[in-house]
Amino acid sequence: SQTIHQWPATLVQPVGSPLSLECTVEGTSNPNLYWYRQAAGRGLQLLFYSVGIGQISSEVPQNLSASRPQDRQFILSSKKLLLSDSGFYLCAWSSSGNQPQHFGDGTRLSIL
Amino acid sequence: TQLLEQSPQFLSIQEGENLTVYCNSSSVFSSLQWYRQEPGEGPVLLVTVVTGGEVKKLKRLTFQFGDARKDSSLHITAAQPGDTGLYLCAGVRNGNQFYFGTGTSLTVIP
Repeated sequence: SQTIHQWPATLVQPVGSPLSLECTVEGTSNPNLYWYRQAAGRGLQLLFYSVGIGQISSEVPQNLSASRPQDRQFILSSKKLLLSDSGFYLCAWSSSGNQPQHFGDGTRLSIL
Repeated sequence: TQLLEQSPQFLSIQEGENLTVYCNSSSVFSSLQWYRQEPGEGPVLLVTVVTGGEVKKLKRLTFQFGDARKDSSLHITAAQPGDTGLYLCAGVRNGNQFYFGTGTSLTVIP
């Protein structure tokens, strides 16, 4: 069966520090991968999605970037965090663009 | 503006009551999904509907896709505290464009 792992679960970082969140999927090949940010109690804002290694699409201009160095690995990064980067970050995968998405447990990021 | 608007945004009800959550759009979707998310976790898929007018039941939850495939509803009968969570609809358009709704936060009070 397929599983998705996302870490860390919680992260507290100072303003201006770098960021690296990692997401890996097991049990499937060539998945679509997604990074979302979620405000408390609200819907999901799509940040990046990828349909293959090295292929990244960005949905909103921001302080963040994403990379897909391996088929089942998706990384969310920042060189310098802003206070506005605080939030709940979710990674997801799907078998194709029109199929249901399966989510990791998320990372709660707090910027001080 | 969001492509999929959910209402209400927040809902607090007593255990045993019935409720309906709506997911509306002016766009047509090829399929629509409903997810439930508990605090500190990722959303979990509840159901997918693909045919206009389709109705699916999952125990006390009834999902309906609008005839024109522009809207959907989720009805919960005799709500229980375990139903508490954030309910999200998500629609697929143009084959591979995936859109999440604005979310409905449900609290069921024992």
